[in-house]
Amino acid sequence: GENVEQHPSTLSVQEGDSAVIKCTYSDSASNYFPWYKQELGKRPQLIIDIRSNVGEKKDQRIAVTLNKTAKHFSLHITETQPEDSAVYFCAASGSNTGKLIFGQGTTLQVKP
Amino acid sequence: GAVVSQHPSWVICKSGTSVKIECRSLDFQATTMFWYRQFPKQSLMLMATSNEGSKATYEQGVEKDKFLINHASLTLSTLTVTSAHPEDSSFYICSARGTGGFIYEQYFGPGTRLTVT
Repeated sequence: GENVEQHPSTLSVQEGDSAVIKCTYSDSASNYFPWYKQELGKRPQLIIDIRSNVGEKKDQRIAVTLNKTAKHFSLHITETQPEDSAVYFCAASGSNTGKLIFGQGTTLQVKP
Repeated sequence: GAVVSQHPSWVICKSGTSVKIECRSLDFQATTMFWYRQFPKQSLMLMATSNEGSKATYEQGVEKDKFLINHASLTLSTLTVTSAHPEDSSFYICSARGTGGFIYEQYFGPGTRLTVT
């Protein structure tokens, strides 16, 4: 079945450094790749997404890259701040139902 | 816009009882709603896809007789956990997809924390 692998599971960086989280998906029909930030006990918040017809997308300090051939996509956060500390999830969707398959999550800690 | 609510936000129930969780799209019509379960420090696991007016589609391993889903209107889906047991204690989150716009975009509810004692 569909599967999304996410690495690393935890990531600790110094404030101001960059953070990169990587995901691999199994279903070649996937064509939508959102990233979510989730704080403890709260709903996932969409922070950026990319569709399969685009290789890269940027929004201020956040960027996502997609390599459809390799079935990889990555989240890049630059100039990290302590408030970026949270759990980040990648997801992939491609069926006509629109269902999302989530990666395992990455706990990002940004140390001041 | 695109607000999804859930009720209750948290519930404690005794083992063997049933609990109903409501998911509402407040300012848009949702033809499809999704139900997820999230255990502590784990990812969101899709339980089922709910389409208005038809039976829900359950993911492999999810007991449809235990987790009853009803999507009776374009703004409301309910999840009933029947004969709840302590292992059903979890964070249940719904999401909704609108009738127009980008078909893959989902709007998440705030979640319901279920504790079964």
